[in-house]
Amino acid sequence: KQEVTQIPAALSVPEGENLVLNCSFTDSAIYNLQWFRQDPGKGLTSLLLIQSSQREQTSGRLNASLDKSSGRSTLYIAASQPGDSATYLCAVLYNQGGKLIFGQGTELSVKP
Amino acid sequence: DAEITQSPRHKITETGRQVTLACHQTWNHNNMFWYRQDLGHGLRLIHYSYGVQDTNKGEVSDGYSVSRSNTEDLPLTLESAASSQTSVYFCASSEYGRGLDTQYFGPGTRLTVL
Repeated sequence: KQEVTQIPAALSVPEGENLVLNCSFTDSAIYNLQWFRQDPGKGLTSLLLIQSSQREQTSGRLNASLDKSSGRSTLYIAASQPGDSATYLCAVLYNQGGKLIFGQGTELSVKP
Repeated sequence: DAEITQSPRHKITETGRQVTLACHQTWNHNNMFWYRQDLGHGLRLIHYSYGVQDTNKGEVSDGYSVSRSNTEDLPLTLESAASSQTSVYFCASSEYGRGLDTQYFGPGTRLTVL
């Protein structure tokens, strides 16, 4: 069964720290991997998308890496800010026709 | 600006009633998806569509149906609402090839079945 796992489930850090969120997936035959942000009571906002042929993507203070052989992706957030507090979701697209498989998310809290 | 909207944002209904949740996107995207989000299960795919008149079952499709009569809309119908269908429902859309691009999500509908 194709599964996506995110560790840790929750993370609390002081403002200014660099941090890493982890995502692992069981089947390495992916098309792409996406990282989303979800604020409480809101929908999902796409942060970064990495195609299967890519190793990383960057947007501002965010950097996502992909290692298909080990079935892992990381989301690196530099110089964290209280506004980064949200739940971060990893989702994998396999070769089964456009269906995203989501992890259960990491709830991030950045303390001022 | 293009967007994806869902209505209603909140709905309370009774067991056994038919309920329809609306999803409308102005991106002109071919692909549309319905997910439900529950504590302990994360987001799970209910149904999806790759274009007009195309619909497909997802991971948790039992008790739900969709129809796609135009590009902009993919309504989700609960044929006979059950308490197990209490959840937050998200609609999403994407363009280009089948799922190779970013999915854009609506704000969600919180459904409570009493």
